[in-house]
Amino acid sequence: GAVVSQHPSRVICKSGTSVKIECRSLDFQATTMFWYRQFPKQSLMLMATSNEGSKATYEQGVEKDKFLINHASLTLSTLTVTSAHPEDSSFYICSAGGTSGGGGEQFFGPGTRLTVL
Amino acid sequence: DQQVKQNSPSLSVQEGRISILNCDYTNSMFDYFLWYKKYPAEGPTFLISISSIKDKNEDGRFTVFLNKSAKHLSLHIVPSQPGDSAVYFCAASAGTDSWGKLQFGAGTQVVVTP
Repeated sequence: GAVVSQHPSRVICKSGTSVKIECRSLDFQATTMFWYRQFPKQSLMLMATSNEGSKATYEQGVEKDKFLINHASLTLSTLTVTSAHPEDSSFYICSAGGTSGGGGEQFFGPGTRLTVL
Repeated sequence: DQQVKQNSPSLSVQEGRISILNCDYTNSMFDYFLWYKKYPAEGPTFLISISSIKDKNEDGRFTVFLNKSAKHLSLHIVPSQPGDSAVYFCAASAGTDSWGKLQFGAGTQVVVTP
């Protein structure tokens, strides 16, 4: 299957700071990338869909000004959590879809654990 | 509103036996279903999928069954192995674009005992 990486894998920051998470598709071009967050023992909740070269589409209840998404190339999407607060602490996972891969499945990154103090 | 439901939060099964995971959905527009396996602090990995035009798909030890009239699908793992211990998520997407948004169930924690 295709490989998707995320960086950093873990980040701890102070309340009020901004954190950028990168998602890269390493061996295929991803026209569409998705950002999810997962709280402990809960399902993955889709936050937004980003298409290369256009604005992201946010799910209901997700603040677009707080979670800035940029998908500037076919291999890189970034999620910036602006002015992070403790309630933003979560496990953030990206996935990529595109023109490669089999079966139509999305390929997920390893996730980023964000802890806001 | 949870459109994909996995009502069993956990499942314990003996090594060598069959694991059966269930998933129900409410949205009749879903036409593509997937199962993912997830270890703690890692992203989900794709296991197997099925299109709504089929009722069964098999890949090695994994078989997915789809009952459209009941809006129900299940994942069978046989024989179960200790490495299968993980959380399994059922997911569904709607529309002809299978790269579309996925709705996930809450997951089922599978523990395979020796």
